[in-house]
Amino acid sequence: GDSVTQMEGPVTLSEEAFLTINCTYTATGYPSLFWYVQYPGEGLQLLLKATKADDKGSNKGFEATYRKETTSFHLEKGSVQVSDSAVYFCALSDYAPSGNTPLVFGKGTRLSVIA
Amino acid sequence: NAGVTQTPKFRVLKTGQSMTLLCAQDMNHEYMYWYRQDPGMGLRLIHYSVGEGTTAKGEVPDGYNVSRLKKQNFLLGLESAAPSQTSVYFCASRLRDQNYGYTFGSGTRLTVV
Repeated sequence: GDSVTQMEGPVTLSEEAFLTINCTYTATGYPSLFWYVQYPGEGLQLLLKATKADDKGSNKGFEATYRKETTSFHLEKGSVQVSDSAVYFCALSDYAPSGNTPLVFGKGTRLSVIA
Repeated sequence: NAGVTQTPKFRVLKTGQSMTLLCAQDMNHEYMYWYRQDPGMGLRLIHYSVGEGTTAKGEVPDGYNVSRLKKQNFLLGLESAAPSQTSVYFCASRLRDQNYGYTFGSGTRLTVV
């Protein structure tokens, strides 16, 4: 079945450092890929998405490119801030004749940014 | 616009007790989902619904039942709670076009002792 693997955390960075969180996926069809973010005590929020190969999703300085050849969707940010401290989830939804399948999530990566 | 509202926010149950978690959305979303979040496990899908009156099993449905009698509500029931059901439960909903993303509630923290 479909699955998502993302790098283990926690990740601790200094403010203004470069961030990369790796995500790879396995899917039987043509999935859409997502990054969600969860701040402490809250539900998940959509951060960015990409629906087909070579698409780049971007939001709030974060970027991720859908790489079909490497089945990857790595999250990057050039300069992190303390306010970016959160748990980040990579997710996919595959296409099926009956409609898009429910989101399958990776295990999450906790990011802590220190001033 | 409240979005997705989950009640209760916290609950402690004794083993064998039953309870219902309520999820309500006011965005006229077709699809609704129940996930559980456990440390080191990410989010796992329990049950979901693609419309009023329909439900389907997810990855970890055992020990749970659901109902979607009204479009705006999705109920998750535990008939006989077990300590393994200690978790944080999230409800989510979305439009038919999934590219708008899922809207999540703020979660229900359930402890079974």
